[in-house]
Amino acid sequence: NAGVTQTPKFRVLKTGQSMTLLCAQDMNHEYMYWYRQDPGMGLRLIHYSVGEGTTAKGEVPDGYNVSRLKKQNFLLGLESAAPSQTSVYFCASSSRTGRSSGANVLTFGAGSRLTVL
Amino acid sequence: DQQVKQNSPSLSVQEGRISILNCDYTNSMFDYFLWYKKYPAEGPTFLISISSIKDKNEDGRFTVFLNKSAKHLSLHIVPSQPGDSAVYFCAASNENRDDKIIFGKGTRLHILP
Repeated sequence: NAGVTQTPKFRVLKTGQSMTLLCAQDMNHEYMYWYRQDPGMGLRLIHYSVGEGTTAKGEVPDGYNVSRLKKQNFLLGLESAAPSQTSVYFCASSSRTGRSSGANVLTFGAGSRLTVL
Repeated sequence: DQQVKQNSPSLSVQEGRISILNCDYTNSMFDYFLWYKKYPAEGPTFLISISSIKDKNEDGRFTVFLNKSAKHLSLHIVPSQPGDSAVYFCAASNENRDDKIIFGKGTRLHILP
């Protein structure tokens, strides 16, 4: 099993360009998340999805859009990239079987490093 | 407003000794707490979790302690090994309310030979 796969792994953009980060998971997980990691800031939640066709805002959603058209894929879009969006982006997924299932344990991808010039 | 706080950016511990990583939280509605470990150029990996109805959970060398009254949890690693050198993130969720999982800023652990 590949687990959680993120593409691309690296990308350099100019200010104002658009791009999409793709996250794919093969574990049949219901929940998917996008985080960004910046020095001294930890992991901050951008958007997440609790199922196909649903999305919700996280802590830092501005400047990003997401879509979950298929259960296995979660796309993160930047419509007009800004230097402040230079970061490492992590996608994660998890499976929930109800309130008695215990902690919501995330499986992360390896990350996508984005630089906006 | 930071809901999950890791106030120590880094920690150095001698190999074989105990490593103690701390985490504080502000939201009393959190019902699960988790620790993740991250190596450079890799995604975080799950280490151990604890429910808010417990005060201790142990898994091999790793033990997490929860003090609800102080809104504080700690991760103990005994004995510390060179492979434990990594960044450790504390995370929390309120699974009865929403499915957000909030992370702290992380603590970089250095295990010294």
